[in-house]
Amino acid sequence: ETGVTQSPTHLIKTRGQQVTLRCSSQSGHNTVSWYQQALGQGPQFIFQYYREEENGRGNFPPRFSGLQFPNYSSELNVNALELDDSALYLCASSWVVRTGGFNEQFFGPGTRLTVL
Amino acid sequence: DQQVKQNSPSLSVQEGRISILNCDYTNSMFDYFLWYKKYPAEGPTFLISISSIKDKNEDGRFTVFLNKSAKHLSLHIVPSQPGDSAVYFCAPPGTNAGKSTFGDGTTLTVKP
Repeated sequence: ETGVTQSPTHLIKTRGQQVTLRCSSQSGHNTVSWYQQALGQGPQFIFQYYREEENGRGNFPPRFSGLQFPNYSSELNVNALELDDSALYLCASSWVVRTGGFNEQFFGPGTRLTVL
Repeated sequence: DQQVKQNSPSLSVQEGRISILNCDYTNSMFDYFLWYKKYPAEGPTFLISISSIKDKNEDGRFTVFLNKSAKHLSLHIVPSQPGDSAVYFCAPPGTNAGKSTFGDGTTLTVKP
């Protein structure tokens, strides 16, 4: 069974640029969530995708957007990068039978984004 | 408004002793509470959960206690081992674990 993988591991961008981060869900999982973890803080929920549709969003502006593909891999896109976007970005996958169902989520190792 | 607070950024204990990590929350609608452990360069790993209908859940060396009236939960690790050294996050998800609200974490160091 393949775990959750993320690419790239590290990324450096400059302010104003756009970035795309990728996540491959654990085999058999249909839900992916993205989190932002700033230094010294806990992960903050960005949004979740369930069966290719957004299923909830945290307190993040619209320049944070995502996609989930039929094979349940996912992308996080951030436009007009700001210095405060520098953080570790984590994705987590889970199997949800219905929206709102409780199931354990499995995290990838994260992508470290630095915005200069 | 931080809904989950872990007021101790760090904790250091001796191997074999008890480690107690604390978490306070404000949202009484949380009905599941999860603890995650995170090693450097890895994503968080689910450790133990407790439902709001219980006040204790035990799994081996790990026990989580929930005090709903005080909106407080704690994680006990007995006996603590050096391999337990990690960052521990309290993360109530409601019913959807994928929408968790994380505390800022407590860094546990277990000294041999």
